[in-house]
Amino acid sequence: NAGVTQTPKFQVLKTGQSMTLQCAQDMNHEYMSWYRQDPGMGLRLIHYSVGAGITDQGEVPNGYNVSRSTTEDFPLRLLSAAPSQTSVYFCASSPRTGIGETQYFGPGTRLLVL
Amino acid sequence: GEDVEQSLFLSVREGDSSVINCTYTDSSSTYLYWYKQEPGAGLQLLTYIFSNMDMKQDQRLTVLLNKKDKHLSLRIADTQTGDSAIYFCAENNYGQNFVFGPGTRLSVLP
Repeated sequence: NAGVTQTPKFQVLKTGQSMTLQCAQDMNHEYMSWYRQDPGMGLRLIHYSVGAGITDQGEVPNGYNVSRSTTEDFPLRLLSAAPSQTSVYFCASSPRTGIGETQYFGPGTRLLVL
Repeated sequence: GEDVEQSLFLSVREGDSSVINCTYTDSSSTYLYWYKQEPGAGLQLLTYIFSNMDMKQDQRLTVLLNKKDKHLSLRIADTQTGDSAIYFCAENNYGQNFVFGPGTRLSVLP
């Protein structure tokens, strides 16, 4: 199993550009989520999904879209990048949510918006 | 909403014990976790404790939970340079998402 994979590892964008951060897992996990990590603020939940076709907003969803057409993939779209979206983005998955299941994290995507 | 707090920095000498502390506000938290993040990497689970437990030990790691005070700690015995990382406390409850603390950066001095 590859676990949770994320692409790209690094990305530089100009303000106003759009892009998609890819996330895939091969563990047949129902629950997937996107976090952003900023210094001194820990991880903040952007969007999550409890299964294919179901997504919901987390703590900081503005400026981001997600979709979950398959169990394996959970892409995160930045619609019009802003410098405030400079961050490290982590995708995570778990078999279910809220039943004591741990989350498995991808290696992260480092995004710089100029 | 729920909140998880941690001190941001901790320095210890190699061979000493490290104690990383965490407080949380959600009294209905069911599971509490410790994750480790090494430089340039994602988070990896170190250990977790169910809320009806007071203590859990796993090799060099000891987790203590004081549910009355909503206080969780992670003790690392015989701390090594390879333990230098950011340690995140997290909690969740049935049907709820994870809430992470800001992370404690542990520096191990030779």
